[in-house]
Formats: sequence, C-alpha cells, structure tokens
Amino acid sequence: DTAVSQTPKYLVTQMGNDKSIKCEQNLGHDTMYWYKQDSKKFLKIMFSYNNKELIINETVPNRFSPKSPDKAHLNLHINSLELGDSAVYFCASSQEKSQPQHFGDGTRLSIL
Amino acid sequence: GDSVTQMEGPVTLSEEAFLTINCTYTATGYPSLFWYVQYPGEGLQLLLKATKADDKGSNKGFEATYRKETTSFHLEKGSVQVSDSAVYFCALSSGTYKYIFGTGTRLKVLA
Repeated sequence: DTAVSQTPKYLVTQMGNDKSIKCEQNLGHDTMYWYKQDSKKFLKIMFSYNNKELIINETVPNRFSPKSPDKAHLNLHINSLELGDSAVYFCASSQEKSQPQHFGDGTRLSIL
Repeated sequence: GDSVTQMEGPVTLSEEAFLTINCTYTATGYPSLFWYVQYPGEGLQLLLKATKADDKGSNKGFEATYRKETTSFHLEKGSVQVSDSAVYFCALSSGTYKYIFGTGTRLKVLA
C-alpha cells in the first residue's frame, strides 16, 4: 500500500487553465504539506495543514489554494496557471513536529 | 532564521569510493536533523535522522553524526555503489511544523 499517494503523476496544460492535484495519506498522520521543487531540485514549502487547519502558508500567490477535507487528504488547486508554475509538486505528511516526513512521488506540472 | 547549507554538486565517484557530503546548519535551540535521498522520478525518502547532539544516524551503510559544536551533520558512506546515485538532501526541524531543506547534492557513481 502506498503511504502517500498523489494524482495525477503528470499534468500538461495550457497557460491560463485551472488544475487540481490530489493527495492522500494512509499513515494516520496529523500533518500534511505541499512542496514545490524547481528544475534545480530546490525544495520550497508552500502550505501545511494540521488536522485540517492551515498552519503554514508561505509566500505563495493567491492562485494556489489548498483544501483539506479531512486529515488524510490535502488537495491543491491552482487557478490561471502561468509558465513559472512548471515544477514538480510534492505532498508529504508527518505525525508530529520534527518527526520525519513521508513524501509522495510527485506531480510533474508542465505549462505550455 | 534557520538554514541548512550543503555542498554544491554534482559529486562524481567511482564505485567503492568513500563518500562525504557536507551539511552545516544554523538554528535556534536543538533541531532534529535528517538526510533524505531522492532517486530519479521519485519523492524524497528518509535516509537517516538524529535528534540530539552526538547522536549517530545510520542506514544502508550511510552514517551521519549530529555535531553541535560545529553545527554539522555530514553524510558519509565507506563504499558507494552505482545504485547510490541520487540527490541527497540535508534537512532540519526546530520543534515546529516547518522543515528547512538544503539545496540538494547530486551524487553520480560510476561503475
């Protein structure tokens, strides 16, 4: 069983479109995260939810909106996609503060 | 604020060579320290961790020791294999939900 699963794995779309990425974890963790990894492998945190509550919201454009319907799911919706949004987006989860994070395999978003 | 600095890559080694990837950090308090590995097309996987000074984390032949006096957490392996080729990330967490990652070091091992 995959611990942290993201869908889709690949997303190719046109500039200006709206898209969503879904994430689910079956580890029973309380905290989930979204990261953006650029082409140089730099990993930047975007959002974090703890028990469905937003606890980290880094400087991310308002076009990005996370939603956590329950503590096992954290989805990411992106409006009006721009070329600079092309990246790999990773979902992760952890049980407690400072505990190791478990990552999904990523969603590669390509904007044409 | 907290930060992690790791050596620039890529690092290219021959099989069975000794590996060191340097990692230093700045943090308030006593952070937990981690090494993650990312294989091509995959997410990050925890390689090892250490939660207090002088702790040694180890896994799959990799080791790293939490050195508070030098604020370092260098990754070492005595004999690398081609299958170790990947990107390695040093990270810390200072008792909050936020994790700080280094920029990653790409390792390429040649047969």
